[in-house]
Amino acid sequence: GALVYQYPRRTICKSGTSMRMECQAVGFQATSVAWYRQSPQKTFELIALSTVNSAIKYEQNFTQEKFPISHPNLSFSSMTVLNAYLEDRGLYLCGAKTGADTQYFGPGTRLLVL
Amino acid sequence: GQQVQQSPASLVLQEGENAELQCNFSSTATQLQWFYQSPGGSLVSLLSNPSGTKHTGRLTSTTVTKERRSSLHISSSQTTDSGTYLCAIDRSNTNKVVFGTGTRLQVLP
Repeated sequence: GALVYQYPRRTICKSGTSMRMECQAVGFQATSVAWYRQSPQKTFELIALSTVNSAIKYEQNFTQEKFPISHPNLSFSSMTVLNAYLEDRGLYLCGAKTGADTQYFGPGTRLLVL
Repeated sequence: GQQVQQSPASLVLQEGENAELQCNFSSTATQLQWFYQSPGGSLVSLLSNPSGTKHTGRLTSTTVTKERRSSLHISSSQTTDSGTYLCAIDRSNTNKVVFGTGTRLQVLP
C-alpha cells in the first residue's frame, strides 16, 4: 500500500536556529509533494506545493527564503524551517500523490521552538 | 479560494451515543477525505469519499457532491474516539488539499 513517512516525529530547536524535516513516500511515486503547517488552535494551511518538472509554488505568507524545499526524486522531499521563532511552532505535514490520485499524508513533524 | 467549513466546532457525547459531523465546501471537489487527529497530534486517514456513501467499522460517510457537503456518522461512540475530526478536499487540477476547520469531539465515559 501507499505510505508516507515523516522524520523526525517531534523536534525542539532554539529560537533563531534551523530545523530540517523529511518526507518519504513508499509504495507509489510522489510526483507532487505538498507541505502544510498546523499552528496551535488552527487547521492545516498549505505552505508550498512541489510538482516534478515544475517550480515549487509557495502560498501567500510563506517563502522559499524561510522554508526551502527539496524534492530530488519521486520518493523523497525535505523542508527546512530557517531561523525558527515561536510563531513557527506547530505540526508540519507532508502530503504526497501521484497525478490526480488521492493525496497520502504522513503523521507529521511536531516542531517546538524554545 | 476554496473554503471548507465543518460543524459543529465541538461536540460532547456520552459513551454509546452517535455523532454526526458535517463538512461543507465552497467549490467542486474531486477528492474528499475524513481524518482523525489524536490529542497528541498525529493525523490518521479515516475515509476517502468523494461521492456516495462509504462504511468502515462504526464510521459512515455520505457525500453529496452537487450540494458540496459531506457527513461523517460515528455510531456507538467510545472514549477513544475523542479527538479532532478533519474534512479535507482536493481538486485534481490543483494538487492542493484544503483542510476544514475541524470538529473537536469529546466522548465521556
